[in-house]
Amino acid sequence: KAGVTQTPRYLIKTRGQQVTLSCSPISGHRSVSWYQQTPGQGLQFLFEYFSETQRNKGNFPGRFSGRQFSNSRSEMNVSTLELGDSALYLCASSLEGNSGANVLTFGAGSRLTVL
Amino acid sequence: AQKVTQAQTEISVVEKEDVTLDCVYETRDTTYYLFWYKQPPSGELVFLIRRNSFDEQNEISGRYSWNFQKSTSSFNFTITASQVVDSAVYFCALSVMVGGSYIPTFGRGTSLIVHP
Repeated sequence: KAGVTQTPRYLIKTRGQQVTLSCSPISGHRSVSWYQQTPGQGLQFLFEYFSETQRNKGNFPGRFSGRQFSNSRSEMNVSTLELGDSALYLCASSLEGNSGANVLTFGAGSRLTVL
Repeated sequence: AQKVTQAQTEISVVEKEDVTLDCVYETRDTTYYLFWYKQPPSGELVFLIRRNSFDEQNEISGRYSWNFQKSTSSFNFTITASQVVDSAVYFCALSVMVGGSYIPTFGRGTSLIVHP
């Protein structure tokens, strides 16, 4: 079966712009979580969605937001981009809620470069 | 607060050598989960193993083995007879309950380079 699909894979934006990233989980998986990976901060939890509800959010500013649709697909949005937002954004899905306790299946990521 | 330390930033070995990747964690919770993930150059993290805090049994899967010791808060990963395909960044992660759901905290990762 198809894995976790993230689009776009690469994108370049300028400071002040906004960006929307998309994640399609494995069919049947209802939980989607997002992570930011940077050389400086490593891999950090952004948020988790289950059944269209945000269950938890990491320590990120309000410029980072997300949502989940009824088909479990998820999007994350970053507004007013800053240079420090340049990162690899990873999405992961799991069958049930409490994704942090479950085995996660990750997508290949969306690499965002902010100029 | 939770913390995961992977003190080895990069390890370089020659094929067929054994290599151990260290992971030390900190938490006051008594219930938690520990994970290892592999991140090849393609980017996506690949699940390797999960352990809950009540299961200290060590595990072996082919060339991979894991040693979980609560007494030292360590969850080390050993690759026996390493191969070039093992070259990747390996992440150790700790998940504890925060606000009703489990949140993972990842270590900074260990980059393993296996030379032919």
